[in-house]
Amino acid sequence: DAGVTQSPTHLIKTRGQQVTLRCSPKSGHDTVSWYQQALGQGPQFIFQYYEEEERQRGNFPDRFSGHQFPNYSSELNVNALLLGDSALYLCASSFTSGRFSYEQYFGPGTRLTVT
Amino acid sequence: AQRVTQPEKLLSVFKGAPVELKCNYSYSGSPELFWYVQYSRQRLQLLLRHISRESIKGFTADLNKGETSFHLKKPFAQEEDSAMYYCALSPATDKLIFGTGTRLQVFP
Repeated sequence: DAGVTQSPTHLIKTRGQQVTLRCSPKSGHDTVSWYQQALGQGPQFIFQYYEEEERQRGNFPDRFSGHQFPNYSSELNVNALLLGDSALYLCASSFTSGRFSYEQYFGPGTRLTVT
Repeated sequence: AQRVTQPEKLLSVFKGAPVELKCNYSYSGSPELFWYVQYSRQRLQLLLRHISRESIKGFTADLNKGETSFHLKKPFAQEEDSAMYYCALSPATDKLIFGTGTRLQVFP
């Protein structure tokens, strides 16, 4: 099991463009969370997907949207990119049973640079 | 407001010295507390969580609800402990709220 995988590793976009980041969860996991980590900061929660629905959302604008597929993989989309969106985007997967979610496993991240 | 504070950006110690990484949190209910670690060129990984009450790699952390703290401790630091450490809080809803992290440097 490769664990959580993310693609691409890094990319460079221009202000105003749109970007899609992808995440494949660890085998056996059904819940995917996305985090944004700016330089020198801790990861900030963007949103979480479970059963193909957004279960929770952090304090991020609607420009940030996501999707979860039947195979539990997920995408993060960011529209109308701003310079401030430059960050490391982390995906984390976990298994949910009832109201309890087990340990979150993190992927290596996608480094997004907006110029 | 839900917040995690790690007051030290950098903590430098010599091998064999005791280590204490500070973490204070702000949350009105009973959160779950975690310590995550990121070694050089590796992904973020869970070090320990307070409900398991385990000691991992010699590290322990005690939840002090009165002081709203969850400090990470190790009696004798090793060079391989050098890494970035993040304290995190999870309300009942499973999202993680991270502090800004403390870089631990252990010198030989």
